[in-house]
Amino acid sequence: DTGVSQNPRHKITKRGQNVTFRCDPISEHNRLYWYRQTLGQGPEFLTYFQNEAQLEKSRLLSDRFSAERPKGSFSTLEIQRTEQGDSAMYLCANTQGSTTNEKLFFGSGTQLSVL
Amino acid sequence: GESVGLHLPTLSVQEGDNSIINCAYSNSASDYFIWYKQESGKGPQFIIDIRSNMDKRQGQRVTVLLNKTVKHLSLQIAATQPGDSAVYFCAENTRASGSRLTFGEGTQLTVNP
Repeated sequence: DTGVSQNPRHKITKRGQNVTFRCDPISEHNRLYWYRQTLGQGPEFLTYFQNEAQLEKSRLLSDRFSAERPKGSFSTLEIQRTEQGDSAMYLCANTQGSTTNEKLFFGSGTQLSVL
Repeated sequence: GESVGLHLPTLSVQEGDNSIINCAYSNSASDYFIWYKQESGKGPQFIIDIRSNMDKRQGQRVTVLLNKTVKHLSLQIAATQPGDSAVYFCAENTRASGSRLTFGEGTQLTVNP
């Protein structure tokens, strides 16, 4: 158990609906990341926060995706008007420091299925 | 473009044997590497990391070797156990890429009893 908690574990939704995922990181770790993983592939970076500031966003993060981290603690990832191509595992990760080259601690992910 | 990839998608070994999982990377600026283990339905679990100023690092039953000349990374697991069965990913980071880890596609390790 890495201490990074994600919920829900599974989400099934119909195309066009909005979904929101939550990540509760290790409290003293100030960097928080969102990754997406499809079957058989490695995780792909989406975005990351340093405390409450969103510092970097991938081109994968279309305008239907929005992430927040109010107060620099938990984070939410919302997908609006879901599409079947959004089906994937959404992973949250934490790291302790504020420099590059640090290991990430991942949660168990939210598996999204868009029908 | 720059990428991190694996030589073999699957590896099957007998319990007790040593396993070697390989990874090739193409970004010569990569300066930090991590191996992750991912079991079905779970997030990636950190195994071991190595910085580019080292060529070998050992953990408990695992060793990572880094050959910067040929841009190759390997994970050696000693006395492989059934619990080691999982998908293994290498990931790399460069200071220029900020905090992003770039992952390879993974190798499925199956340990036969």
